[in-house]
Order: sequence, then structure tokens, then C-alpha cells
Amino acid sequence: EVQLVESGGALVQPGGSLRLSCAVSGFTVSGDYMSWVRQAPGKGLEWVSAIYSDGSTYYADSVQGRFIISRHNSNNTLYLQMNSLRTEDTAVYYCAREFPWDLGAFDIWGQGTMVTVSS
Amino acid sequence: IQMTQSPSSLSASVGDRVTITCRASQGIRKSLAWYQQKPGKVPKFLIYGASTLHPGVPSRFSGSGSGTDFTLTISSLQPEDVATYYCQSYDTVRTFGRGTNVQI
Repeated sequence: EVQLVESGGALVQPGGSLRLSCAVSGFTVSGDYMSWVRQAPGKGLEWVSAIYSDGSTYYADSVQGRFIISRHNSNNTLYLQMNSLRTEDTAVYYCAREFPWDLGAFDIWGQGTMVTVSS
Repeated sequence: IQMTQSPSSLSASVGDRVTITCRASQGIRKSLAWYQQKPGKVPKFLIYGASTLHPGVPSRFSGSGSGTDFTLTISSLQPEDVATYYCQSYDTVRTFGRGTNVQI
């Protein structure tokens, strides 16, 4: 069964760090394009970061220089290292697979993990 | 690229034809997807390539457009269609519209 399961969300103070994980089953994280998408409370969806099958990485301007996307092939897991967190980073973070037949659209989503940045 | 959705919300009756518009600030060819998100739930993939229905999506949903102007149409609104709908461009950057809340 194709499934994405996020973990790692927590309450963290401004300026702090957090690492999110996304356990992938049913396909290989290294063979597909993967992204993180977030949704602030009561707001819309915002793409955060992507990692391609060739390992190249991309970031939204709002997180460039603070967040790092990576993957671990042996345990088939996607990660998002979040540093220098700000209150505006508060959101549910989803990992999502990019649709292999039309890359850039997201066909599989995890259930999300909540990150709250507050003092 | 900015994606502008309209309206931001709408209310319609069961059986009505509903149309949501999405406009891109520059041409994105047909690199547009639509998602449905019910309250408290994960977004669901509906349409890609502006007009191709993802398998399992009811045929009352359809998409059209190319370049800068796109539409999502629900031909006969059902109670289970109450949700927020998002468009998303992916021609160069991945950008979502702000969403359209559909109510009965």
C-alpha cells in the first residue's frame, strides 16, 4: 500500500530547530520527486521544498537558507530540517509525492504533522 | 507566478452547476492541478494537466483551460462536494491559489 506518514511536529520557540520525518511505503523515496507542503491554521496551501530523484533540491523563498530537505534511502524516509524557526512557520506540514506522470502535481499526501512556533 | 482563484467562496444548491476560476499571472501552458480539501482532512488530488481527471474522481468534475485561464466545473453539485478547492501551477514553480470554499 502506498502511504506517507509524517512525524516530528512539536511546539518550539522562535529561533529553534526541528526535524520532520516522512516514512514512505509502497514506493521508493529515491525514485520519485518528493515535496513538503504546509498549511497555516485556517489558511491555504503553500509549497515549501522539493527533492528530485537526482538529488537536486528546491525551496520556497520564505524558507530558503533556513530549511533543508533530504532523504535516507536505506529507511525510505524523507526529512525536513527546519532551523531559525519563526512564528509564521506555524502550520501543518504535509509530505507529498509528485505525480510521476505529470511532475509538479501532488498525488499522494501524508496526514500531516503540526509545527507550532511560539514563546 | 501568482495564482488568483475566484470566487473565494460560493453557496449553491444540490444539483447546481458550479464553476471556479483560476488565473495565472503568466502563462503556464497546461501545468495546472486541482485539489479538494474537506474540513480537517488531507487535500485530495482531482485533476492534472488542466483537464485530466485522476482515476477514481467522479465524472461530474471537469477542468479546462490553458495558458493563464483555467476553470474547475462541478456539473451537478452533491452534498459530499462541500469543501475548499485549490488550484496549483507547476510549470516552473509550484504555487497554490488561495482556495474557493464551496457550501450547500
